[in-house]
Order: sequence, then structure tokens, then C-alpha cells
Amino acid sequence: GAGVSQSPSNKVTEKGKDVELRCDPISGHTALYWYRQSLGQGLEFLIYFQGNSAPDKSGLPSDRFSAERTGGSVSTLTIQRTQQEDSAVYLCASTTEREETQYFGPGTRLLVL
Amino acid sequence: AQSVTQLGSHVSVSEGALVLLRCNYSSSVPPYLFWYVQYPNQGLQLLLKYTTGATLVKGINGFEAEFKKSETSFHLTKPSAHMSDAAEYFCAVSDVGSNYKLTFGKGTLLTVNP
Repeated sequence: GAGVSQSPSNKVTEKGKDVELRCDPISGHTALYWYRQSLGQGLEFLIYFQGNSAPDKSGLPSDRFSAERTGGSVSTLTIQRTQQEDSAVYLCASTTEREETQYFGPGTRLLVL
Repeated sequence: AQSVTQLGSHVSVSEGALVLLRCNYSSSVPPYLFWYVQYPNQGLQLLLKYTTGATLVKGINGFEAEFKKSETSFHLTKPSAHMSDAAEYFCAVSDVGSNYKLTFGKGTLLTVNP
């Protein structure tokens, strides 16, 4: 079946602009995670959604970062007033409630000029 | 807080040689342990995982790993390297108390020489 999809695959933006990154999880997966992969920091957890529960936002690096998940499916990660240090690959993963394995999408490569 | 240490950011082996990628973790409770592989410009693909039960786990592409609680280690091995194994490998841990979110090591880039 279809895996996790993310769009866009690449995004170039200017410093100070807002960007939206989209994640479509595997159908039926109730849990969704966002991670960031950067040269300096490696792979870091950002935010976690599980069903209708309040999201775990403990990994968001600043209040410029936010995310939502509509209808328990598609998720959007928004970065406001982008900075050069936001340049990274943003990865989305999904899983079922009882499944320990997270299935990753191909990522969105963000470059802030 | 959990942490994962991967010894060696870059490992180079000859085709046909043993692959050994090291991973040590620190966790207050027995964690779940994972190895993921990332090929250039792609997402992460699960190689294998340990949750409970047998401590020697086998994964895809001939890889295996052994969970050693006393050593807090989860090293990844493959008896004979293939050119197609060249990629970056990440060890990760998670536990129930952290919503299963993954804490990753810094990664090890594996190069396979002909």
C-alpha cells in the first residue's frame, strides 16, 4: 500500500517568510510524528499527535514552529518568519497506536536563504 | 533523558568484509531499540528492531543486532558487506513513557570499497 507522503519534496524560501510543510500518513495510522534532520543537530523529535489527544509539542525549538493535524489524518508543520538555521530536512512518520515501528516519509528539504 | 551514542561517524569496509556498527544507549527503563538506514536523498527505512523476547534480532538485507542489557548496547552486524549497503545508519531508542518518540544517535556513514 501507499507509504507516508510529504510535500513539497524541496522548498527554497527567503529569510523571514512563512512556510508550510505537509504530511500524509499511512491510512489508518493514528499516531504521527515530525522530526528534523540537520547537519549540526542530527535527527531531533519535534511534535507528536495521537488520535484526539493533545499533541506532545515538547520538541518544537521555538514559538515560530507550530503544527496541526486535521481530521486525524493530514498534518501541516508551519514555520513562521523562517531563519537560516531552520534549513534542514523535515521528516514525518506515522504508526498505529500499538505499533512501535514508525514509518517515515521521504522528507521535505527546506533551504532558507 | 535517553541518549544514544554511535561510535564512529564513518566506517569503511571492503566488499565481503564484516560490518560492525556500534550503538550504546542510556535509558532509565528498558527501551525499544531500532536500527534505521538512510540512502541518499531518501527517508529512513527500518532495518530491525528489538522490543521484547529474543535478544538477537534479524532484519532485512542480512543485518542483525544483539541487545545486551548489561552493556547497554545494540550493535549492528552483517557478515559480508555488499556495495549496496553503502548508506547512513541510525540507531534509535524509544519507550512507552516518551510516547514512543525516537531518540537517535548521530548516525554512522558506511562506505563499502570494491
